[in-house]
Amino acid sequence: GQQVMQIPQYQHVQEGEDFTTYCNSSTTLSNIQWYKQRPGGHPVFLIQLVKSGEVKKQKRLTFQFGEAKKNSSLHITATQTTDVGTYFCAGRQGGSEKLVFGKGTKLTVNP
Amino acid sequence: KAGVTQTPRYLIKTRGQQVTLSCSPISGHRSVSWYQQTPGQGLQFLFEYFSETQRNKGNFPGRFSGRQFSNSRSEMNVSTLELGDSALYLCASSAPGNTIYFGEGSWLTVV
Repeated sequence: GQQVMQIPQYQHVQEGEDFTTYCNSSTTLSNIQWYKQRPGGHPVFLIQLVKSGEVKKQKRLTFQFGEAKKNSSLHITATQTTDVGTYFCAGRQGGSEKLVFGKGTKLTVNP
Repeated sequence: KAGVTQTPRYLIKTRGQQVTLSCSPISGHRSVSWYQQTPGQGLQFLFEYFSETQRNKGNFPGRFSGRQFSNSRSEMNVSTLELGDSALYLCASSAPGNTIYFGEGSWLTVV
């Protein structure tokens, strides 16, 4: 079945450092979504990427979708303590409504 | 527009008991999916309902079941509870092909 691998599992950074999490799928995805879950909270939708090679930015966050639509990345520039949480990617295989989540990357930021 | 509402938020059950969790989706959303979240396994897909029909199912034993009503509200049931069923159970609703919106979850502790 479809699998979405996400690395790293954990990332500790000093405030001001950059952070990147990567997602790889075993199959081509129709789209990929990113979610953030704060400690004790529920996942909250950040963004959806649909097109091959697509790049989207939200302030200090940059999202990329690979040319083959099998991988994606989320990059945070100059992390802040408010960035703390777990970041999940989730992808849909073409033609399926089922959303498959990566296991997430837990980000901690030391002030 | 009200978000996804899950009840109860917290509950404690004894091994062998059963539990029913409820989810009210965002108004107009006909797709409801359920996820189990544990520290070790991340977000695992349980099942998805659309227009009262189960459309997708994850790899959980038959003790986990669900249903959806004509008003799109959904319930999931876990029978013969085991200690390993302790988790955050998240419900999410969506319009077809679109992003999913999570509820705050139901924290289940089995003792």
